[in-house]
Amino acid sequence: GQNIDQPTEMTATEGAIVQINCTYQTSGFNGLFWYQQHAGEAPTFLSYNVLDGLEEKGRFSSFLSRSKGYSYLLLKELQMKDSASYLCAEQLMDSSYKLIFGSGTRLLVRP
Amino acid sequence: GAVVSQHPSRVICKSGTSVKIECRSLDFQATTMFWYRQFPKQSLMLMATSNEGSKATYEQGVEKDKFLINHASLTLSTLTVTSAHPEDSSFYICSARVESSYEQYFGPGTRLTVT
Repeated sequence: GQNIDQPTEMTATEGAIVQINCTYQTSGFNGLFWYQQHAGEAPTFLSYNVLDGLEEKGRFSSFLSRSKGYSYLLLKELQMKDSASYLCAEQLMDSSYKLIFGSGTRLLVRP
Repeated sequence: GAVVSQHPSRVICKSGTSVKIECRSLDFQATTMFWYRQFPKQSLMLMATSNEGSKATYEQGVEKDKFLINHASLTLSTLTVTSAHPEDSSFYICSARVESSYEQYFGPGTRLTVT
């Protein structure tokens, strides 16, 4: 199977920066997604990386290193509403382009 | 654009009964739809991949006779949980993909409670 590892929980302060790491197995890799999920809701798309490097989108940035099987999601200027689970998902290079999700990182933003 | 709906949003059923969940792509044609299950405080687990007009491909450990998937059109896939038991209580989420796109669009999810 595809082992995708990310921290279970993280805590950060409002206004700060937090980095959520994700490692994955590189065999069959096609791309790396990050999703945000609030409790009881469906995931919402944050970012997609297929090439090495940093993709910046407002307060959120995502980084990928294909050779290392490593990605991170960077959240800047944290807001209370950023408290949620952040899911790292690997897209596999098969005909369906299915996603395999990591266990998710629950982020708590404190005042 | 790219809206996916699910119906019902919540369902409570008795043990032994069957429940059907619908997943619709409202403004695009989805060549592939995916069904996920999510238990409390856990991540999404892929159950199966379905392509329009063909049999679904189930992930290892998912019983195809218990979780019946039908993808009869490019805008509709259904998941039927047969002979549901309390351990089937979970959050079921579908997603849809357009052939030319890498992205999956997620539905709002269906909360199933089996009593």
